[in-house]
Amino acid sequence: QKEVEQDPGPLSVPEGAIVSLNCTYSNSAFQYFMWYRQYSRKGPELLMYTYSSGNKEDGRFTAQVDKSSKYISLFIRDSQPSDSATYLCAMSWYGNKLVFGAGTILRVKS
Amino acid sequence: EAGVVQSPRYKIIEKKQPVAFWCNPISGHNTLYWYLQNLGQGPELLIRYENEEAVDDSQLPKDRFSAERLKGVDSTLKIQPAELGDSAVYLCASSLERGEIAEAFFGQGTRLTVV
Repeated sequence: QKEVEQDPGPLSVPEGAIVSLNCTYSNSAFQYFMWYRQYSRKGPELLMYTYSSGNKEDGRFTAQVDKSSKYISLFIRDSQPSDSATYLCAMSWYGNKLVFGAGTILRVKS
Repeated sequence: EAGVVQSPRYKIIEKKQPVAFWCNPISGHNTLYWYLQNLGQGPELLIRYENEEAVDDSQLPKDRFSAERLKGVDSTLKIQPAELGDSAVYLCASSLERGEIAEAFFGQGTRLTVV
């Protein structure tokens, strides 16, 4: 079993929809939770960063962490075709490496 | 501010040949990472440097892979000899402090094809 599990998709939604992306993990030591966006043939780009549990909002993006369930989510409101990309969750604990999920391919249709 | 710069962007080589990738991190970033990303997978850490010191190279296949970070700035990752299974994207990332892993910035990667 992988430390971080993420459904690879693809997830296809119409423009304007609310998108929900999720990851589960097994290592209770994780304290830092990140979401990266990766466009085709580009490097990952940090979108959201959350420490420990709770919610964090940035524009159309909301990240949620539920440590009791070992479950994290990224919500995208009013999705746009430009949001079409692969979304990678990643997590770590202080001073240690990032562990990534496999990524979910998102396609937003206009 | 310039981002993480990697070169080359693409490389095609025959198996058993050597290959090298170069990374220039963001100015002032003391931590540098090399990641391997296979198709349809998330990046996996190969090696992490704190300045010149490799502090985590447990996932680096040392029989054929080597890396160096002279003077704590640029870094080079080498494969010798390359195998078909090494075909992947090699990503370099950098961050300002060891604990601030969340603020790692990635380069665009080098896409290696071994034929």
